[in-house]
Amino acid sequence: KQEVTQIPAALSVPEGENLVLNCSFTDSAIYNLQWFRQDPGKGLTSLLLIQSSQREQTSGRLNASLDKSSGRSTLYIAASQPGDSATYLCAVDTGNQFYFGTGTSLTVIP
Amino acid sequence: NAGVTQTPKFRVLKTGQSMTLLCAQDMNHEYMYWYRQDPGMGLRLIHYSVGEGTTAKGEVPDGYNVSRLKKQNFLLGLESAAPSQTSVYFCASGRSGGDTQYFGPGTRLTVL
Repeated sequence: KQEVTQIPAALSVPEGENLVLNCSFTDSAIYNLQWFRQDPGKGLTSLLLIQSSQREQTSGRLNASLDKSSGRSTLYIAASQPGDSATYLCAVDTGNQFYFGTGTSLTVIP
Repeated sequence: NAGVTQTPKFRVLKTGQSMTLLCAQDMNHEYMYWYRQDPGMGLRLIHYSVGEGTTAKGEVPDGYNVSRLKKQNFLLGLESAAPSQTSVYFCASGRSGGDTQYFGPGTRLTVL
């Protein structure tokens, strides 16, 4: 069974700092990996999707990388802002099913 | 374009009662999913559907049933609610199995 782990569970940074969130998974046989953002009491919003054949994806200040062989992905957030405060989840797609990590709760301090 | 909507937003049940959660999407997506989110557990897939009239079990299907009679709707049923089913339930949809999933706002269910 696929296990997805996110470290750290919580992170606080001052505004303007660059930061990296980590995601690891146990089975490298994945179709893609997706990063989501979840605001308190809300649903999930997709940020980036990386296909298994890709190494990275970029959207604005966000950059996600994927190393399938080592079972790792990182989400890099540049020049963090208070509006980036949320929980970030990664999910791996093994076919018809997504397996989610428990998330990293990010707080950006003004 | 409402995206994915869920009804109701909140519900409190007593043990043994039944209820149905409704998910609707207006994006003509083939795939639809039901997840539950519990503290420290992340999201776990309950059931999913790859098209109208089809359903399949996910990681934690016990105690739940689903139906996809219309392409735009995916219903999640609890026949006899238990306290262990207290959770936040999310519905999602996508064009295909490997595509981005779009999530609804969630339903917070408490079973007493």
